[in-house]
Amino acid sequence: GAGVSQSPRYKVAKRGQDVALRCDPISGHVSLFWYQQALGQGPEFLTYFQNEAQLDKSGLPSDRFFAERPEGSVSTLKIQRTQQEDSAVYLCASSLDLNEQFFGPGTRLTVL
Amino acid sequence: QKEVEQDPGPLSVPEGAIVSLNCTYSNSAFQYFMWYRQYSRKGPELLMYTYSSGNKEDGRFTAQVDKSSKYISLFIRDSQPSDSATYLCAMSGQGGSEKLVFGKGTKLTVNP
Repeated sequence: GAGVSQSPRYKVAKRGQDVALRCDPISGHVSLFWYQQALGQGPEFLTYFQNEAQLDKSGLPSDRFFAERPEGSVSTLKIQRTQQEDSAVYLCASSLDLNEQFFGPGTRLTVL
Repeated sequence: QKEVEQDPGPLSVPEGAIVSLNCTYSNSAFQYFMWYRQYSRKGPELLMYTYSSGNKEDGRFTAQVDKSSKYISLFIRDSQPSDSATYLCAMSGQGGSEKLVFGKGTKLTVNP
């Protein structure tokens, strides 16, 4: 595709619901990153994949957060039992040549 | 103290002004320095990418890195209303294969 795409663009969940956020990276990009951006803040790292291997998940805030990339392409970030503090924009980025990370438009999650 | 500090502003300037944005950081391992531009409800878009110390110019944009002072800057010449956005500094130790650590972002408005 032309760029990184994410879906849904907006998600409203009731507290306690599970959500799944999807990222389609640029075709052929080996590296994939998830970031969380709270209102008025810079993005904060969540997790990193190289192909299908999750090499770094040190930024996941709790065991309610889980990410996968089973075939080394599309990735899903799942949040179980959502809490109000999970409300944020979730950004996905991909890269090919160990330099620029290209970002998607993000999924804005609101937990009521 | 956060690893990367950036004044969130807001910063308001008249069209045509020179804009100076900056970040300080504490981690000596950072070698790659980036400036991203983020429009409202969009993902970050890479503006400048610099390795180690020095200056880099691209059109109206100039990035400077001073590793001895742990200080990076972005200058925008002849600023335009279309430059109105949030500017995020980001850095990493290993380029695109490693997580980016972002500043908080500076919100810039260029008034016509």
